[in-house]
Order: sequence, then structure tokens, then C-alpha cells
Amino acid sequence: TQLLEQSPQFLSIQEGENLTVYCNSSSVFSSLQWYRQEPGEGPVLLVTVVTGGEVKKLKRLTFQFGDARKDSSLHITAAQPGDTGLYLCAGARNSGGSNYKLTFGKGTLLTVNP
Amino acid sequence: NAGVTQTPKFQVLKTGQSMTLQCAQDMNHEYMSWYRQDPGMGLRLIHYSVGAGITDQGEVPNGYNVSRSTTEDFPLRLLSAAPSQTSVYFCASRRQGRTEAFFGQGTRLTVV
Repeated sequence: TQLLEQSPQFLSIQEGENLTVYCNSSSVFSSLQWYRQEPGEGPVLLVTVVTGGEVKKLKRLTFQFGDARKDSSLHITAAQPGDTGLYLCAGARNSGGSNYKLTFGKGTLLTVNP
Repeated sequence: NAGVTQTPKFQVLKTGQSMTLQCAQDMNHEYMSWYRQDPGMGLRLIHYSVGAGITDQGEVPNGYNVSRSTTEDFPLRLLSAAPSQTSVYFCASRRQGRTEAFFGQGTRLTVV
């Protein structure tokens, strides 16, 4: 079983601060995704990274895929209360043919205080 | 564009009762799956389907049944509810060969 370890598990910061959350594994993934989940809602995809070393930016969010495709990080610049939520990473591995198995981390619960 | 629709949003069951959680998607996705989300446990895969007529077990299948008679619908059945099945259930779909999953809003189930 491939495990994705996310850290920290909880993070509470003030508006305007920067933060980084991590997603680590001992397994190689075909791609890695980040989702954000707000209370009472389902996870919503933020980004998919595919290539080792890839960096993607989504406004104030920067996502990086490790060179070996085993880990990823999410950096948020100048966090805002609207960034509050549960951030989940998910690694994809080919399970045969064109099928992929997704493994989810347990998430980082981010609270941004005004 | 509705995406993935789950019903009901909330449900309370007594131990031993049965029920079906509904999931429908309008994106013509081949792959559909059911997860449960519990505090500290993350999302755990219950059952999945790669197309109509094909289903398979995930990580935690015991106590749950599924069927996939159409591309659009993927219901999850609890045959005899137990308190351990108290959880938030999410249905997700994605296109064959793609990894991006689209989730429903979830069903919060309480078994008393």
C-alpha cells in the first residue's frame, strides 16, 4: 500500500502570512494532484502535476512536484481567509491499461484568521 | 452543468436498517467511485467501477454493495447499517485514462 504523508496536519495562521504544506511518499507516482475541500462540500481539484520538478502557479498558490515524483509541496503567499479549508494531495499510479489508482493523503487543515 | 450529484445530503439510520445512497454524473465519465471520509483517516475507497456492468472492491468494501447498470448512476447500498458506518460518503467520477476526479457534495450518514 502506497502511503502519502501530509504535513502539517493542522495549520492556523494570520491573514497575510505565507505557508507551505507538504505531501511525501516513498513511492513514485505518474502524477500528483492537489484538492481543496471546504466544510460541507466535496474536494475540488486545484492542480495536477505530471513531470518531475514541475512547478505550477495558480494566483497565490505555487505547486511543485519533486524531481523523483515522490513528493510535492503547496506554497501559499499572503494567505487570505478564503484559503481556509482542507488541502488534500492525491497520487496516481497506473493500475493496468488506461486505468489509474488514486491514493489520497489525510490532508492539511488550514485556518487563516482575519 | 450539474457534475456529480449525491442524494441525500444528510441521513440518520437505526442499526440494522438498509438504505441506498444515490450518485449520478452527467459528464459521461467511465470511472466512478465511492469514498468514505472519517476524521484522521482521510478518504478511503469503498468500491469503484470502470464502466457500466463492471464493479470492483476498494480498500474498505465490507458492509457495502454497488451496481452500475448505466454510465450515469452508481448507487451505494448499505444492507444492514452499523454504527461503524457513520461517516461522510463521497461519490467521484473521472474520465477513463485521466486522473482528475470530480466529487459530489457528500452524504453525511449517522447510524444510531
